[in-house]
Amino acid sequence: GENVEQHPSTLSVQEGDSAVIKCTYSDSASNYFPWYKQELGKRPQLIIDIRSNVGEKKDQRIAVTLNKTAKHFSLHITETQPEDSAVYFCAASKGGEAAGNKLTFGGGTRVLVKP
Amino acid sequence: DGGITQSPKYLFRKEGQNVTLSCEQNLNHDAMYWYRQDPGQGLRLIYYSQIVNDFQKGDIAEGYSVSREKKESFPLTVTSAQKNPTAFYLCASSSTTSGGRETQYFGPGTRLLVL
Repeated sequence: GENVEQHPSTLSVQEGDSAVIKCTYSDSASNYFPWYKQELGKRPQLIIDIRSNVGEKKDQRIAVTLNKTAKHFSLHITETQPEDSAVYFCAASKGGEAAGNKLTFGGGTRVLVKP
Repeated sequence: DGGITQSPKYLFRKEGQNVTLSCEQNLNHDAMYWYRQDPGQGLRLIYYSQIVNDFQKGDIAEGYSVSREKKESFPLTVTSAQKNPTAFYLCASSSTTSGGRETQYFGPGTRLLVL
């Protein structure tokens, strides 16, 4: 089955700096890669996603890049703010009804933005 | 994700007891999922259902059971066979129609504790 590894497990940045989280996946058939943000005790919230026919996607201060050849994708947060402090999860899916749209999650990255 | 509700917010289980966690959605989504989250870890898939009256085991189904009698509801039973049930349980749903069908939206979660 799919295996997703996420690094680093914790990340501390100064407010205004950039944060980068990297994930690798094992199944070359995976074609959908969402990123979720989870604040303490709350539900995961989708912040951005990318499909395998796209190499990069940006939404304001957040961007995701995908390298299908190397089977890795990354989340970039620029101009970090204290409200960006949370746990971030990457995930991978083969999509489609046959695969059940199942998501395999990485282990998470705890981001702390210091004011 | 506001259209997915879970109850109760906290649940206490005694030894040898079966308990049922509720998950309801009004998003008209066909697919529903149950995940388990342990402290400081990622999400692991317990069961999923793509259509009413059908469901499949995920990666950690042992000690759990589900039913899908209605499109809106996907209850999870934690049986006495699950020896380490203390965790945060998250329900999610997604549409199986074309266009963003892989996107999963999460409920607020149920925290299960063993007495």
